[in-house]
Amino acid sequence: DTAVSQTPKYLVTQMGNDKSIKCEQNLGHDTMYWYKQDSKKFLKIMFSYNNKELIINETVPNRFSPKSPDKAHLNLHINSLELGDSAVYFCASSQLGGNPTTRELFFGEGSRLTVL
Amino acid sequence: AQKVTQAQTEISVVEKEDVTLDCVYETRDTTYYLFWYKQPPSGELVFLIRRNSFDEQNEISGRYSWNFQKSTSSFNFTITASQVVDSAVYFCALSGGRSGYSTLTFGKGTMLLVSP
Repeated sequence: DTAVSQTPKYLVTQMGNDKSIKCEQNLGHDTMYWYKQDSKKFLKIMFSYNNKELIINETVPNRFSPKSPDKAHLNLHINSLELGDSAVYFCASSQLGGNPTTRELFFGEGSRLTVL
Repeated sequence: AQKVTQAQTEISVVEKEDVTLDCVYETRDTTYYLFWYKQPPSGELVFLIRRNSFDEQNEISGRYSWNFQKSTSSFNFTITASQVVDSAVYFCALSGGRSGYSTLTFGKGTMLLVSP
């Protein structure tokens, strides 16, 4: 059973299109994240949700809209895709509340987005 | 602000050599956590270790060992008798604050190439 799963793994699309990436975790964690890894491998936080509430929203264009229907899911929708959006997007989860907590993040396998 | 510096962009070694990956961090928090992640060529992010700021004991896990020194704000990672399968990008990361609502700040990664 995959702990954090993302779909699709690969996404190739044209500029201007709208696309979504889905993420699900079966670890029972209370917090989920989206990270972006650029072509130089730099990993940067985009969003974080704790118990379905947005708690971190870094300086990300508002073309990116996360949605968390429940604790186990965090989807990422991107409008009007641009060339610079090409990257690998990683979903992750952790348990920040209660006992025990796990400060470490468990990552999905990543979704490689290519915008042409 | 938090910062993680991995000064070594790329390291090349021959199998069976020992190699140390450096990590230096900056934080104003008195309580914080340090992590190492491995990203093999297949792309997934694999959690290796978590350390909290109150535990300066070094840790050894098989061929891996970690040296945490608060005095120099460093959390270095050594692989003993390296193997080809150790070839990957290794990320050091920092999470701070008592609140659970903190995310990981990653270094830029060190690419380790182990040749036969």
